[in-house]
Amino acid sequence: SSELTQDPAVSVALGQAVRITCQGDSLRIYYPTWYQQKSGQAPVLVIHGNKYRPSGIPDRFAASGSGDTASLTITEVQAEDEAVYYCNSRDSSGVRWLFGGGTKLTVL
Amino acid sequence: EVQLVESGGGLVQPGGSLRLSCAASGFIFRSYWMYWVRQTPGKGLEWVADINQDGSQMTYGDSVRGRFTISRDNAKNSLFLQMNSLRADDTALYYCAGGIATSGYWGQGTLVTVSS
Repeated sequence: SSELTQDPAVSVALGQAVRITCQGDSLRIYYPTWYQQKSGQAPVLVIHGNKYRPSGIPDRFAASGSGDTASLTITEVQAEDEAVYYCNSRDSSGVRWLFGGGTKLTVL
Repeated sequence: EVQLVESGGGLVQPGGSLRLSCAASGFIFRSYWMYWVRQTPGKGLEWVADINQDGSQMTYGDSVRGRFTISRDNAKNSLFLQMNSLRADDTALYYCAGGIATSGYWGQGTLVTVSS
């Protein structure tokens, strides 16, 4: 498959948990990388290899997955988590790279 | 501190050419696959091309294959994107990135506008 599908938008109350999903056939083969992009800024990697967080990324960010669906879960959401989140993976051929369409997270 | 600084963007007419550059510092450039990723204003991310560590293997997205060429100069810690036969739908912010699936090094982007 040559697509990664994300819900366009999700909202969550401050302090609650939220799950952002990414669906695609290539996720049966490859773990996705998750990126956070705030307005006017470059993307920032938050999770790779399904569980690894770069230094500086809070442990309230976690990833999981099953079959063709991967999830990014943010617990105890903070106001600064408001951003667009993208999943990223190779396609099923392993040659090309895909990005999901992005999920805009709004913190209420 | 890791830095990727893109340059070379600007306004170009349809059918024209541009050469983007990316200057890397703060990491071992020659050890990383490098990428160009673009983002249309207000929209999502699109992988454009990538190149392996020694520059012997390049891969392109379907929308740019045959028009764009990615290259690198490891002696100068630099990445390039030669863009020919530019079209209006190539208008985007072009990011230089390294290790997108692991390290996640990204520049701030350079804007390319294709318009008459």
